[in-house]
Amino acid sequence: DAGITQSPRHKVTETGTPVTLRCHQTENHRYMYWYRQDPGHGLRLIHYSYGVKDTDKGEVSDGYSVSRSKTEDFLLTLESATSSQTSVYFCAISPGDRGTDTQYFGPGTRLTVL
Amino acid sequence: DAKTTQPNSMESNEEEPVHLPCNHSTISGTDYIHWYRQLPSQGPEYVIHGLTSNVNNRMASLAIAEDRKSSTLILHRATLRDAAVYYCILRDRVNNDMRFGAGTRLTVKP
Repeated sequence: DAGITQSPRHKVTETGTPVTLRCHQTENHRYMYWYRQDPGHGLRLIHYSYGVKDTDKGEVSDGYSVSRSKTEDFLLTLESATSSQTSVYFCAISPGDRGTDTQYFGPGTRLTVL
Repeated sequence: DAKTTQPNSMESNEEEPVHLPCNHSTISGTDYIHWYRQLPSQGPEYVIHGLTSNVNNRMASLAIAEDRKSSTLILHRATLRDAAVYYCILRDRVNNDMRFGAGTRLTVKP
């Protein structure tokens, strides 16, 4: 299994509070991704990174920011959490961005915003 | 973006083959066909991918139609552990956006 960990694995927070989720990899892959998954939906891309300090927006980036100061860590921040951000968040890593490159997913973080 | 269409759910008996279909009629010549699956309470995991030719690996086989407008993921002998949601995804040569649809929920009966 690819070395990807996410922390925390579960979090309950209140509306309006800041939340940071961490993704850590030991594979030295260049690309890292944050997805969210809601009931009845597949995964949707929030943000991704193609190198240290290099990030870009995905399909559902509003309300989220990211940072990558080291190759191994990719942080997802909700500046002011809302109930609509209750979801399961998955981090993924990939060695490249070609059509043949595989994405490897972490175990997920279940976030509940009350 | 090229889209895929899959049945919402399928059932199979344990130790029998399973054929999971995917339609992608708007596929472009540079799109790779990827399959991922998501076991309960886990992140998705890669299964297989292909471009034009059929592909085999230890997990499954991928059969691609000659016109590439459809493909079929084949699990040769389904086990209870294969119960999952299976996603068919098209990826361009350079594409950081894997668009997951709702997938096919496979139930395997003992």
